[in-house]
Amino acid sequence: EVQLVESGGGLVRPGGSLRLSCAASGFTFSSNGMSWVRQLPGKGLEWVSAISYSGDSEQYAGSVKGRFTISRDNSKNTLHLQMDSLRVDDTGVYYCTKDPTNRPFDFWGQGTLVTVSS
Amino acid sequence: DVQMTQSPSTLSASVGDRVTITCRASQTISIWLAWYQHKPGKAPRLLISRASSLESGVPSRFSGSGSGTEFTLTISSLQPDDFATYYCQQYDSYSLTFGQGTKVEIK
Repeated sequence: EVQLVESGGGLVRPGGSLRLSCAASGFTFSSNGMSWVRQLPGKGLEWVSAISYSGDSEQYAGSVKGRFTISRDNSKNTLHLQMDSLRVDDTGVYYCTKDPTNRPFDFWGQGTLVTVSS
Repeated sequence: DVQMTQSPSTLSASVGDRVTITCRASQTISIWLAWYQHKPGKAPRLLISRASSLESGVPSRFSGSGSGTEFTLTISSLQPDDFATYYCQQYDSYSLTFGQGTKVEIK
């Protein structure tokens, strides 16, 4: 059974940093691309960032480019999202997703809440 | 970026109704279109990929159609478990983009 378990969310002040993690199990992590998707309060879903199966290719939404960094550790089946220079409008639930090549997001975690507030 | 526009934003329907949600892309995306179901407090669920391919375990009352820039999600006979928000998403090119969502409410 595929499981994606996010952690690392919490309350942070504007300008601060947070590192999200996602522990993956139930599939061959090192063979699959991964993405982070977020849901802002009262809004829809927004793709944030993607990383290739090997980690040598990254993509970012314009709204987070230069502030967020996606990474992965295939030896530990773990995905990360380093979020720096956080803004109030980064507040939301962040989902870890399995993102296979030429496929949409076929499995999602339960999400972790990030709150950016002074 | 490819803009995805869903309609309607909210839909009120009764159990047993046939429901159709439309998604329009700002440029052609071939068949690289997915549909998700999202309930509050839960992980979104992939329903349909490649515009019309039903994912394993998804009830056959769900169907998708379209290609290019116009797509539809149809629920042939709405069930109590189907009241949720539905999103389309293009995965033809980065940045990956979602429609704004369609909330299906009980009439």
